[in-house]
Amino acid sequence: AQKVTQAQTEISVVEKEDVTLDCVYETRDTTYYLFWYKQPPSGELVFLIRRNSFDEQNEISGRYSWNFQKSTSSFNFTITASQVVDSAVYFCALSRANAGNMLTFGGGTRLMVKP
Amino acid sequence: EPEVTQTPSHQVTQMGQEVILRCVPISNHLYFYWYRQILGQKVEFLVSFYNNEISEKSEIFDDQFSVERPDGSNFTLKIRSTKLEDSAMYFCASRGREQSGNTIYFGEGSWLTVV
Repeated sequence: AQKVTQAQTEISVVEKEDVTLDCVYETRDTTYYLFWYKQPPSGELVFLIRRNSFDEQNEISGRYSWNFQKSTSSFNFTITASQVVDSAVYFCALSRANAGNMLTFGGGTRLMVKP
Repeated sequence: EPEVTQTPSHQVTQMGQEVILRCVPISNHLYFYWYRQILGQKVEFLVSFYNNEISEKSEIFDDQFSVERPDGSNFTLKIRSTKLEDSAMYFCASRGREQSGNTIYFGEGSWLTVV
């Protein structure tokens, strides 16, 4: 069985602060995919990143960066110099590598960035 | 940029009524999904669909639910006799071929309220 845990249910920061959202996962598969999605107040799910289990290279995209550590089964997400527009619920998700590829979501972390 | 579109964006229905939620996946995608999110909770997998048949379904997806791809573009979720606990946001999603990666793209959701 697969499981994703986002221990932080809610985080509040002041604009320009850096913030890290934690994600820990469980799987018996050797090949899998990890994702982060953003859900702004409007409700849609916006894809942010996909990471393959065999690629542990960290990734940076603008103010966003991701730290994948297979040894600790973690895939953490950092926002540098946070902005009010970053306020949203962020979901970490895990999928198997098979064709069905269903996503198992974590419980989400609500990030509130105050001006 | 291609996107998954869903209709209606919001529907209110009486308990016991049938509801059909419609989705137009990204045009060259082959794998289709329905997920739901009860207010304030995490996103849960309902069903995946490939090659005109269900490839995987969760325990939530009982006999009250059905999916159909009636033509080359639409993908529908039907709830035969709605219950109060079916009130949720329903997300349609799609994924392309393996070569294009395993990213699942979501629509903006259909908010269903059962009264």
